[in-house]
Amino acid sequence: GESVGLHLPTLSVQEGDNSIINCAYSNSASDYFIWYKQESGKGPQFIIDIRSNMDKRQGQRVTVLLNKTVKHLSLQIAATQPGDSAVYFCAEMWAGFQKLVFGTGTRLLVSP
Amino acid sequence: NAGVMQNPRHLVRRRGQEARLRCSPMKGHSHVYWYRQLPEEGLKFMVYLQKENIIDESGMPKERFSAEFPKEGPSILRIQQVVRGDSAAYFCASSLSGPPLHGYTFGSGTRLTVV
Repeated sequence: GESVGLHLPTLSVQEGDNSIINCAYSNSASDYFIWYKQESGKGPQFIIDIRSNMDKRQGQRVTVLLNKTVKHLSLQIAATQPGDSAVYFCAEMWAGFQKLVFGTGTRLLVSP
Repeated sequence: NAGVMQNPRHLVRRRGQEARLRCSPMKGHSHVYWYRQLPEEGLKFMVYLQKENIIDESGMPKERFSAEFPKEGPSILRIQQVVRGDSAAYFCASSLSGPPLHGYTFGSGTRLTVV
């Protein structure tokens, strides 16, 4: 069944703040994790991914942290901008499978 | 270098009609995945196909839904005798091979409305 969940359905921040979006997963066999951004009326857009043999990965303004001990994933966005406003999904891929299991999403609202 | 193309973007069907959703993967991609998204929810896996083969259809309803990815042409998700509960956004993704190194590339989706 679906195993990925999020702690906060909506996160409101001010422009320039750092944002942290959290995700819990329950399948210890998952070996690949992805964060997606979805704007209204559009498809999910890849942000950053991480494999289970890593605990941190950085991109441009984004960092993903993976804590396998507590099965927790987070997305950190530095210097959040109004253009970052969207729904963010974490997704996990079970080892040996091709399908992604998505969480329910967190809506990020950035005020100027 | 077109991405994943889905059409139509919006589709309205009356109850009982058939809906056909098309997905053209990125050039060179031979793996296609279909997902369904209800409003305010995450995407739910439906089916994974390679050229001419269904690899995993564990997320497909047992009745009325079918998918194909022929040797030539786009992948088709077909919903027969649609009901209001089929109203959703349907997304297609493609990858070059599996497992994908950087996740899937999603299309913009088809929004199906059943009236």
